[in-house]
Amino acid sequence: DGGITQSPKYLFRKEGQNVTLSCEQNLNHDAMYWYRQDPGQGLRLIYYSQIVNDFQKGDIAEGYSVSREKKESFPLTVTSAQKNPTAFYLCASSPHSENEQFFGPGTRLTVL
Amino acid sequence: DAKTTQPTSMDCAEGRAANLPCNHSTISGNEYVYWYRQIHSQGPQYIIHGLKNNETNEMASLIITEDRKSSTLILPHATLRDTAVYYCIVRANNAGNMLTFGGGTRLMVKP
Repeated sequence: DGGITQSPKYLFRKEGQNVTLSCEQNLNHDAMYWYRQDPGQGLRLIYYSQIVNDFQKGDIAEGYSVSREKKESFPLTVTSAQKNPTAFYLCASSPHSENEQFFGPGTRLTVL
Repeated sequence: DAKTTQPTSMDCAEGRAANLPCNHSTISGNEYVYWYRQIHSQGPQYIIHGLKNNETNEMASLIITEDRKSSTLILPHATLRDTAVYYCIVRANNAGNMLTFGGGTRLMVKP
């Protein structure tokens, strides 16, 4: 069945370690996005990609990195430079960046 | 620099219509009104969007005032599963224009 998958649902890491969150879509969407959500808050855009091999910083890109080597995949790396990495991370995709976005189930990252 | 203003929370009785308001007094002529909802610990779900005409789909209706400065999302027969945070977003449909999520309205549907 088609959709956006994020894995794992829950992730625990020690402080100082880099961690990569997975996001895959089989909807043939050109655009993909990463958001961060803190408790009781709205979503904030980290990075987005409108097409393969291209991506742009969002509002809170510091301490994060991404790649878009394949249309279906947009992994997010949370580096040790991110001061408060514990959060709920959401991936989304859309046919083109001007369309509505479809979200994955999210990954809850806890850094101990 | 929030573009929309929504009540923090609302209650609705099961089976009744839920009317969620949104103010967007600084909306530009090329900006659409989008609604998403987020059920606890899940990804947001697209509901509906519109420019100036009222819109209806299988999930909801969107009523936009004539001056476009406010809108109302209507869930005609709310169920317990409609309990969620509802986000009203204004956005121009240009390439590279992103969604900006504010705090939203926490709708509680009660039996």
